[in-house]
Amino acid sequence: EADIYQTPRYLVIGTGKKITLECSQTMGHDKMYWYQQDPGMELHLIHYSYGVNSTEKGDLSSESTVSRIRTEHFPLTLESARPSHTSQYLCASSEFGEDLNTEAFFGQGTRLTVV
Amino acid sequence: SQQGEEDPQALSIQEGENATMNCSYKTSINNLQWYRQNSGRGLVHLILIRSNEREKHSGRLRVTLDTSKKSSSLLITASRAADTASYFCAPDRGSTLGRLYFGRGTQLTVWP
Repeated sequence: EADIYQTPRYLVIGTGKKITLECSQTMGHDKMYWYQQDPGMELHLIHYSYGVNSTEKGDLSSESTVSRIRTEHFPLTLESARPSHTSQYLCASSEFGEDLNTEAFFGQGTRLTVV
Repeated sequence: SQQGEEDPQALSIQEGENATMNCSYKTSINNLQWYRQNSGRGLVHLILIRSNEREKHSGRLRVTLDTSKKSSSLLITASRAADTASYFCAPDRGSTLGRLYFGRGTQLTVWP
């Protein structure tokens, strides 16, 4: 069982609300990721961090923002939720190793529905 | 495009049969990883194969890598209903500060 946790598991929220999706890992990994995935579709990398105070946008443009103040915590925030933000959001972490990319551990995901 | 492309998009087999999924990619790689995703859940790492390896085994899983063809395959032998999931490959270019990219995956259904 991976030590990476996402909360909430499900969220239904009204348009215009501010939301924060939480992601925490206890493995001390430097690298953390946020992916967005619609049912049956590919995972889109939306945010990436390779350490404290480092964040980068992924290949898919997203109106969300992230922060990395502590190694273990990588929250994602939407200032004003819209129905187009409805999706599943997956958080993952991995460590630097002999290979530039090592095994990534994923949280269970947050299913966000904006009504 | 930095992600792999899995083929077929969907595969349906009976228990006990073997399942083969393929992954093609476009750039040179440092390693390639395979992941599994049960419906509505996060991905789980299955196996990593380095660019200097041609084949790797883990239990009922066998992964091959052909860097000259820029392709990899995942074979699941003696499949079980519990193997029903989506399978993703993630080619690692080793040059983008460790970002992992995923495609659409192969949806495998194993019927009892």
